[in-house]
Amino acid sequence: DVKVTQSSRYLVKRTGEKVFLECVQDMDHENMFWYRQDPGLGLRLIYFSYDVKMKEKGDIPEGYSVSREKKERFSLILESASTNQTSMYLCASSLGAGGQVHEQYFGPGTRLTVT
Amino acid sequence: QQPVQSPQAVILREGEDAVINCSSSKALYSVHWYRQKHGEAPVFLMILLKGGEQKGHDKISASFNEKKQQSSLYLTASQLSYSGTYFCGTEILNNLFFGTGTRLTVIP
Repeated sequence: DVKVTQSSRYLVKRTGEKVFLECVQDMDHENMFWYRQDPGLGLRLIYFSYDVKMKEKGDIPEGYSVSREKKERFSLILESASTNQTSMYLCASSLGAGGQVHEQYFGPGTRLTVT
Repeated sequence: QQPVQSPQAVILREGEDAVINCSSSKALYSVHWYRQKHGEAPVFLMILLKGGEQKGHDKISASFNEKKQQSSLYLTASQLSYSGTYFCGTEILNNLFFGTGTRLTVIP
């Protein structure tokens, strides 16, 4: 079974802090994604990566950056956390072959609260 | 580019049927369906590909109308375990855009 793990289930940070959210997958997937989930807004894509050291902006990249130094690990960085970044953050991974969008496997999520 | 889902919420009794709709303003290559139970991660249900191929769940079915850029998820003879939020994801230019979700509650 594919396993996607996230470093924390719950996180509380102060405004202005730098925040790192880590995601690791164990199935050698090429693609990795970061979403945020807010009530009534569904899943919105922040950033994604098709390969090591590659990154692409999603729908809402402002205030975030990412890093992918190894294939299995994808990090989301909040350079200076703000209260409007309080949310549930979900990481996902998928195969990348064939130019087709494959099913995504999600991690359990990190509920981040910025005070 | 986010697809629109309807209804936003539905309550069913065990054994009843439900239909969840997903529509997009853009041409679609495929539609994905996911279910998220409360407090858990979304889980893949099925993919419907342009051209009619369908892959996925054995107890839940779906349709994909490419011309109308719409998909519908059919849950028949619902069970308590069907409760959760259902998301459609529409594939546009190799990216997946998720809808806002439909909360389905099945009661005894």
